[in-house]
Parts: sequence; structure tokens; C-alpha cells
Amino acid sequence: GIQVEQSPPDLILQEGANSTLRCNFSDSVNNLQWFHQNPWGQLINLFYIPSGTKQNGRLSATTVATERYSLLYISSSQTTDSGVYFCAVEPSGGYQKVTFGTGTKLQVIP
Amino acid sequence: EPEVTQTPSHQVTQMGQEVILRCVPISNHLYFYWYRQILGQKVEFLVSFYNNEISEKSEIFDDQFSVERPDGSNFTLKIRSTKLEDSAMYFCAGASPLYNEQFFGPGTRLTVL
Repeated sequence: GIQVEQSPPDLILQEGANSTLRCNFSDSVNNLQWFHQNPWGQLINLFYIPSGTKQNGRLSATTVATERYSLLYISSSQTTDSGVYFCAVEPSGGYQKVTFGTGTKLQVIP
Repeated sequence: EPEVTQTPSHQVTQMGQEVILRCVPISNHLYFYWYRQILGQKVEFLVSFYNNEISEKSEIFDDQFSVERPDGSNFTLKIRSTKLEDSAMYFCAGASPLYNEQFFGPGTRLTVL
């Protein structure tokens, strides 16, 4: 099956710093989403981005489907950004079988 | 804003018992999913469901698991005879027919003793 790797696995930031999280996938995909899992375990939708670039406030994401990667940018990080960030992909012809990445655990310190 | 709901939020059961986890998806969603997340690990796909049929299932989703949409609003996951290793957070998700952007419920934490 498709492999989804995220980097870095762990990240500690000072409040106000910027960061880039990466998601690499091993095969072509129909869909890609980014999620934030907050400290209470909830999965919050960030972006639905099978290709192209989107921005939402301090967050933006870019997916280059032909090169099989996606990037999530966090600017001016805040302590509330702490948690685990997952990308999740549906492979082409995957009949809705979604694979989550390994996650990036982000801690933003004041 | 409509949201996915799940009940119960936490279920404690004895090994070998049957459990039913319940989900109420967003009303215009037609694709439904169950996932699980063992503590500290990544989220794992269990099953997708569309038009009252399983579309896809993972290796985890063996004969002990079943899904049902009994009344057009609820979506349930049943585990017939729970094992210790079934202890995890179980998430339900749904997606509309137009986009496969999935929206997740808050999860049910299952503890098997």
C-alpha cells in the first residue's frame, strides 16, 4: 500500500517562530488533507488540498502532486498550535481507503 | 455549523464483551468511515461505507468488526468480542458526495480490561 512519511517527527518552536512540515507519499493520490490533533485528541480539519496552494490565516499548504509531497507552513506560531499534525491521503483508485502519515508533534513554548 | 457526533465519549468493557460505538454524521454526507488510534500512534483506517455497503476495509477490520447504518442517521461500529488490543480511540468520519474532504467526530475512547 501507499507509504506516507512526515517530517520532522518532533518540533519545538519558540512562540512567534515559523515552521514548515512536510508530507511525502509514495504513490499518486486523489485527495490529501492536513489535520491538527489538539491535546484533547480532536482531529481538526486544516486543509483539503489534493493539489495547489491554499492559505487560511497563519497557515498555508502546498501540494505538488506530481512530485508526491505536501508542505504545511505555520507562521507566527502560538502555544495553541501545539499538538500533532497529520497528513492523510487517498490513493488514486484507492476506493476511499485513506492512509494517515506518521505525524509531526509540535510544541510551541512561550 | 453541523458537526459529527459520537457516543459514548468513553467506554470501558471487559475482554470478550461486545461493544457498539455510535456516530451521527453530518446530514448531507454519504460516505462514512471508521478509524482507530492506539495511544501515541498514528490514525489507522478501518473501513469505508457507502450506499449501505462496505467500500473498502483494512486488514484490521476482521470478522470481529461490523458496521451498520440502521436508520439513515446513525452509523455504528460493532466489535463482537473485544480484546485487550482493541483499546484505542475510535473516530467516525463522513464526507459529502461532491468532495472527499472528511470531517471527524470527537472520538470514543475504548478501554478493554
